[in-house]
Amino acid sequence: AQSVTQLGSHVSVSEGALVLLRCNYSSSVPPYLFWYVQYPNQGLQLLLKYTSAATLVKGINDFEAEFKKSETSFHLTKPSAHMSDAAEYFCAVSDGINDYKLSFGAGTTVTVRA
Amino acid sequence: DTEVTQTPKHLVMGMTNKKSLKCEQHMGHRAMYWYKQKAKKPPELMFVYSYEKLSINESVPSRFSPECPNSSLLNLHLHALQPEDSALYLCASSQAGGGAGETQYFGPGTRLLVL
Repeated sequence: AQSVTQLGSHVSVSEGALVLLRCNYSSSVPPYLFWYVQYPNQGLQLLLKYTSAATLVKGINDFEAEFKKSETSFHLTKPSAHMSDAAEYFCAVSDGINDYKLSFGAGTTVTVRA
Repeated sequence: DTEVTQTPKHLVMGMTNKKSLKCEQHMGHRAMYWYKQKAKKPPELMFVYSYEKLSINESVPSRFSPECPNSSLLNLHLHALQPEDSALYLCASSQAGGGAGETQYFGPGTRLLVL
């Protein structure tokens, strides 16, 4: 069965510092991996998606993620945090076996300190 | 345009009321989804419609009744809800039949409070 684990339920960074959010997946087949962001009182917005075309995936708002098969990881990074990056971030996996179903991680709350 | 709209934004209802949530997309997507999200938790899948047919019901109680009148619209009819049903209800859509790897586009949600 597919699943993801997000390490760290809460991350606090200073404005301008690196943002690193960790996601490890479990899947019996090559997965499709997603990062979504949810700002307060809003729906989920896709940041980026891995579909095996390239291991380094660039997304919106300067976010990127690297797929590492050997480590079963898909960590999300942003070089310089902005105050507007404060939000909930979800990693999700779809493995091609369970159509329609995204398995979400528990989420990581990011706070940005001025 | 990658917009999914949901109405109403907020809803307060009593346990004996009947109400409906509405979701609309004009992206030509053929799969539509209902999710329930409790505070500080990830979304939980409730229902999936593919080509206007119900494909997945994740053992949701019958007090929740989905309806897909056409390919652009998705409703969720609510009746005799319980206070624990209070949550953010999210609608999403994806392009084709909902196959693996499809990006799901989410609406802003309806925040439901059951008194």
